[in-house]
Amino acid sequence: DSGVTQTPKHLITATGQRVTLRCSPRSGDLSVYWYQQSLDQGLQFLIQYYNGEERAKGNILERFSAQQFPDLHSELNLSSLELGDSALYFCASSPPPFRGYYGYTFGSGTRLTVV
Amino acid sequence: AQTVTQSQPEMSVQEAETVTLSCTYDTSENNYYLFWYKQPPSRQMILVIRQEAYKQQNATENRFSVNFQKAAKSFSLKISDSQLGDTAMYFCAFMTPNTGANSKLTFGKGITLSVRP
Repeated sequence: DSGVTQTPKHLITATGQRVTLRCSPRSGDLSVYWYQQSLDQGLQFLIQYYNGEERAKGNILERFSAQQFPDLHSELNLSSLELGDSALYFCASSPPPFRGYYGYTFGSGTRLTVV
Repeated sequence: AQTVTQSQPEMSVQEAETVTLSCTYDTSENNYYLFWYKQPPSRQMILVIRQEAYKQQNATENRFSVNFQKAAKSFSLKISDSQLGDTAMYFCAFMTPNTGANSKLTFGKGITLSVRP
């Protein structure tokens, strides 16, 4: 157990639908990152939150949105789903900068299948 | 923008032998961190090893070691005494530290390593 909790582990939904992926960071970590991993695209950075605020944005589609709540858990909302959104979505967390830079701790991912 | 390149898509090694996975990166920064992550069939992303750019000494973690060549912008991973459990996809990653807490990890496309019994 990495300490980063992602739910659900698997999700199957139809095109046009909306889903919410949830992530609880490791205790003490303030940053949450979302990544998308599809077969031909590798790991693509979507968005980062730090202590409730958006800090960095990557290749995140307008149909996707995220937020980080006061208890530091984060949700990634995917709407108007398309077949191409099928992928493994990872959440990762990291401690605040004053603790050093030791990479991220990843959750086990949510496998999204759009049919 | 930083880029990370892993040019070998697949490699195979016999159990108990040594294998080296290559990675190059491009940056204009002088202070940064490099990582190797392992993704076994379970799909969990696991940190293998970390290197700080301002340290000349190569990082080592048990059977895993790196060859960090800063001038050449090269960061290869050596796995000694390969074990079946090393079969996984390996990702090289780069990070520029930022006290503003937006240090993003940039990943290479990964290399699939198969360890043969």
